[in-house]
Amino acid sequence: EAGVVQSPRYKIIEKKQPVAFWCNPISGHNTLYWYRQNLGQGPELLIRYENEEAVDDSQLPKDRFSAERLKGVDSTLKIQPAELGDSAVYLCASSLDGSRTTDTQYFGPGTRLTVL
Amino acid sequence: AQKITQAQTEISVVEKEDVTLDCVYETRDTTYYLFWYKQPPSGELVFLIRRNSFDEQNEISGRYSWNFQKSTSSFNFTITASQVVDSAVYFCALSGSNNDMRFGAGTRLTVKP
Repeated sequence: EAGVVQSPRYKIIEKKQPVAFWCNPISGHNTLYWYRQNLGQGPELLIRYENEEAVDDSQLPKDRFSAERLKGVDSTLKIQPAELGDSAVYLCASSLDGSRTTDTQYFGPGTRLTVL
Repeated sequence: AQKITQAQTEISVVEKEDVTLDCVYETRDTTYYLFWYKQPPSGELVFLIRRNSFDEQNEISGRYSWNFQKSTSSFNFTITASQVVDSAVYFCALSGSNNDMRFGAGTRLTVKP
């Protein structure tokens, strides 16, 4: 069974430029998560989707970040415009049913973003 | 509020040594889940174990073992006879009633040959 797929793996951009990350979850997983992981820290949740609906986006900086999950499968996370402080690894994860506390999240390899 | 503390930032051992990674948690929930993930240099977080708050039985899986103690709010992870391939960053995480998973800052384990 294929795991969570993310692309690109690495991205280097100038500040103020836009950038987008793509994620394809494990087949059959209804819940999709985007995390940001700063250097030397654990992942922090940005947004969680249950199918097409964003059920928790309280930590998403909405002035510059946006996300979508059309058709309840793959998802795109966008930053526009990027700032120096956005340099981090952006991780996507999926789970069968995130409404249950028992659910286990499975992670993709992440996209390492460097903003110059 | 939920919180995970991994006090050990970095640990270095020589191959075949046993090593224990500490995890202390804080939560007001009575039902919660604890997790350990491994993050090798490739970057992907690999799920290792999930433990619910009502099950304090220790678990062993090969060279890995976990010690869950509610009395001390700890969920420690031991690797027996460590190998170079165990070198990675290990994260402890907590998921409570709001299904919001909180991760610790991680412990970087280096196993030297």
